[in-house]
Amino acid sequence: GAVVSQHPSRVICKSGTSVKIECRSLDFQATTMFWYRQFPKKSLMLMATSNEGSKATYEQGVEKDKFLINHASLTLSTLTVTSAHPEDSSFYICSARTHGGTDTQYFGPGTRLTVL
Amino acid sequence: QQQVKQSPQSLIVQKGGISIINCAYENTAFDYFPWYQQFPGKGPALLIAIRPDVSEKKEGRFTISFNKSAKQFSLHIMDSQPGDSATYFCAASMKGSARQLTFGSGTQLTVLP
Repeated sequence: GAVVSQHPSRVICKSGTSVKIECRSLDFQATTMFWYRQFPKKSLMLMATSNEGSKATYEQGVEKDKFLINHASLTLSTLTVTSAHPEDSSFYICSARTHGGTDTQYFGPGTRLTVL
Repeated sequence: QQQVKQSPQSLIVQKGGISIINCAYENTAFDYFPWYQQFPGKGPALLIAIRPDVSEKKEGRFTISFNKSAKQFSLHIMDSQPGDSATYFCAASMKGSARQLTFGSGTQLTVLP
């Protein structure tokens, strides 16, 4: 199946700093990528949908100035958590849809963010 | 109307038994129903998916049963193994929404050796 990678897998940062998470589709082109947040023992919460070359669409309640998303190419999307605070600590997961409109979303391995 | 309801929240099965997880939806515009398996600290992995034009799909030990009239679908894991212990999520998507997935709340499956 299609492979999606995320980097870093784990990051610890101090409060007030910014953190960038990369999501790459390794063996396919992804017109659309999604960013999710997951709390312990909870389901995935969609944060935003990003399409290559255009601005991301954020879900209600997600601060677009805090969670900056860039989808500069068909294989790379980035999520930057700006001025991170302890309440931003979470498991962030990206997914990618294959180019051509197929229905399957392939997920990355996730990034564990801890803000001290 | 966008919700997908999943049950049970947790499930304990003996090795070799059948695990059954159920999901129900309201929005008849949903036309794609995948199941994902997630291990702790990992991203979800696609297990199997179905469209409403078929009532059942089988891949190895995993089977999806789909009841369009009842707006329900279920995952059956035959001959459950300890390695199947994970959290399982059902999901649904529709055209025209960038194929965003609406997830169920998840089922934590434990298969006892």
